Amino acid sequence: AQSVAQPEDQVNVAEGNPLTVKCTYSVSGNPYLFWYVQYPNRGLQFLLKYITGDNLVKGSYGFEAEFNKSQTSFHLKKPSALVSDSALYFCAVRDYPSYSNYQLIWGAGTKLIIKP
Amino acid sequence: DGGITQSPKYLFRKEGQNVTLSCEQNLNHDAMYWYRQDPGQGLRLIYYSQIVNDFQKGDIAEGYSVSREKKESFPLTVTSAQKNPTAFYLCASSIVPTGGEETQYFGPGTRLLVL
Repeated sequence: AQSVAQPEDQVNVAEGNPLTVKCTYSVSGNPYLFWYVQYPNRGLQFLLKYITGDNLVKGSYGFEAEFNKSQTSFHLKKPSALVSDSALYFCAVRDYPSYSNYQLIWGAGTKLIIKP
Repeated sequence: DGGITQSPKYLFRKEGQNVTLSCEQNLNHDAMYWYRQDPGQGLRLIYYSQIVNDFQKGDIAEGYSVSREKKESFPLTVTSAQKNPTAFYLCASSIVPTGGEETQYFGPGTRLLVL
């Protein structure tokens, strides 16, 4: 069955340190992977996506993510965290073409807290 | 400004009442979606629409209804049959899904509370 796991409910990082938010997935077709960020009481903002090609994807606000097919992972990273990065982060996958190509499968979210 | 608007920001429902959440987009997207977000869970798809006058049920459509009379608008009605409607509701849109790579863009959300 298709699924997305974000194994950490919360990640705490000191400002200026590198951050990683983990995501693993299970699909039967080709994975198209997405990261979104949500600030309190706001909608989701698109950060980046992996479709094909280079395994390292660069996105908005200095974030990047690395696709690892053998480990079925798509971890979100940033070299130097800012307090303003504190938010809820969602990973999502579209299992194409095996699953309904309209639907994204969502992880439960990881709360990122950056401490000054 | 191009984007997706949702109204109201907060909505209160009395028992037995139907309420309607508004979603409007000016991105010229053909596809629109409604999601429900509960604490500690990922987003769950309620309904989606690829074209005017056509829509399909998502994973949790029971107790909800939608219409798509205009390309720009995709209102969601939470009916009295939805026994646990308290949640954050998110509307999204995208170009028509064809190759699987399409990005969904989200509105700011509506928080529904039961009185």
